[in-house]
Amino acid sequence: ELKVEQNPLFLSMQEGKNYTIYCNYSTTSDRLYWYRQDPGKSLESLFVLLSNGAVKQEGRLMASLDTKARLSTLHITAAVHDLSATYFCAVDYLSGAGSYQLTFGKGTKLSVIP
Amino acid sequence: EAQVTQNPRYLITVTGKKLTVTCSQNMNHEYMSWYRQDPGLGLRQIYYSMNVEVTDKGDVPEGYKVSRKEKRNFPLILESPSPNQTSLYFCASSFKPGLAGADTQYFGPGTRLTVL
Repeated sequence: ELKVEQNPLFLSMQEGKNYTIYCNYSTTSDRLYWYRQDPGKSLESLFVLLSNGAVKQEGRLMASLDTKARLSTLHITAAVHDLSATYFCAVDYLSGAGSYQLTFGKGTKLSVIP
Repeated sequence: EAQVTQNPRYLITVTGKKLTVTCSQNMNHEYMSWYRQDPGLGLRQIYYSMNVEVTDKGDVPEGYKVSRKEKRNFPLILESPSPNQTSLYFCASSFKPGLAGADTQYFGPGTRLTVL
């Protein structure tokens, strides 16, 4: 069974600061996804990381993937209040039935304070 | 507009009364899935479907049924709902995972279900 662990689960940071969210997973996978969820809303795709060493950036967010370490990071640069949300990583893997399952981490609730 | 729709968005029901939550996508996606989201537990996959007439259990399938008779629709059926199925449910779709350049999943708006 694939396990996906995010840390921290809660993060309160000041505007203008930098921070990193970590996502570890327990079995081989070459595909990792990051999503954002605002309170009461659905999930919005941020990044799809498809290979070892992949790095993607959008605004103040940058995601990377190290498949050998089974680790992805989501780095926040110079945080602003608008980034306050819950961030999920998710990993898909080939199940024993020959199809793909997607497993999510528990999410990191980020609060950016002035 | 490319989208995943779910109905109803909110539902309050009583224990044992069968219900169906519909999910439809207009992107010609092969892969569709259902998740439930509970505080502190993140999203957990209930069932997924790789294509028409092909469905498989996710991590928490007990108490749920699905069917995939058409490519665009993937309804979630609760034959005899119980209070522990009170949750926020999301449907999602994507092109077939595992292909080169696999796309991300697109999520519906969610259905908040309360079972009394």
